[in-house]
Amino acid sequence: DAGITQSPRHKVTETGTPVTLRCHQTENHRYMYWYRQDPGHGLRLIHYSYGVKDTDKGEVSDGYSVSRSKTEDFLLTLESATSSQTSVYFCAISVGDRRADEQFFGPGTRLTVL
Amino acid sequence: QQQVKQSPQSLIVQKGGISIINCAYENTAFDYFPWYQQFPGKGPALLIAIRPDVSEKKEGRFTISFNKSAKQFSLHIMDSQPGDSATYFCAALYRDDKIIFGKGTRLHILP
Repeated sequence: DAGITQSPRHKVTETGTPVTLRCHQTENHRYMYWYRQDPGHGLRLIHYSYGVKDTDKGEVSDGYSVSRSKTEDFLLTLESATSSQTSVYFCAISVGDRRADEQFFGPGTRLTVL
Repeated sequence: QQQVKQSPQSLIVQKGGISIINCAYENTAFDYFPWYQQFPGKGPALLIAIRPDVSEKKEGRFTISFNKSAKQFSLHIMDSQPGDSATYFCAALYRDDKIIFGKGTRLHILP
């Protein structure tokens, strides 16, 4: 599992509330990613980070923000959760020679927005 | 076009048979093609990957076939086993940091 943990593993929240998901790695890898997985859509990149305080948007970044103040932690925040953000969220790290090669995924967080 | 089209959506194969999953792309800038395997309740895990300078890569019972001119690549699982039942995602990488996933194929191997 490349030392990746996600918390919480499950969360139910209400529309309009803020939510923060945490990804923690133990091996000091530079590149970290947040994906969402939905039936029929596969995995879609939300945001990624290539170092402390260095982040960039993915293909479905609207409604999400991220922060990375330490190498080991990458936070995903839903400022005001909506039902369309009900999904399974995966964090990943990259361990290959290039930034997105050989990604290792965390166990996922199942988020339900009522 | 930054898409990877994966087919079929679902696949049922008898134990011992060959499972074949296909992916197609349009952007010739893609230069790394991994396959990920995902079991229920788990995150995806890298299974096998290929670069476009080779036409085939084999690791155990898993083989990637790559057709650069047709912009297609496929995963073959030989002697499929019930333990191979999972969702499989193809993907394509470009510009060092962007990876695009297919929508997945749910594979079920009948015992």
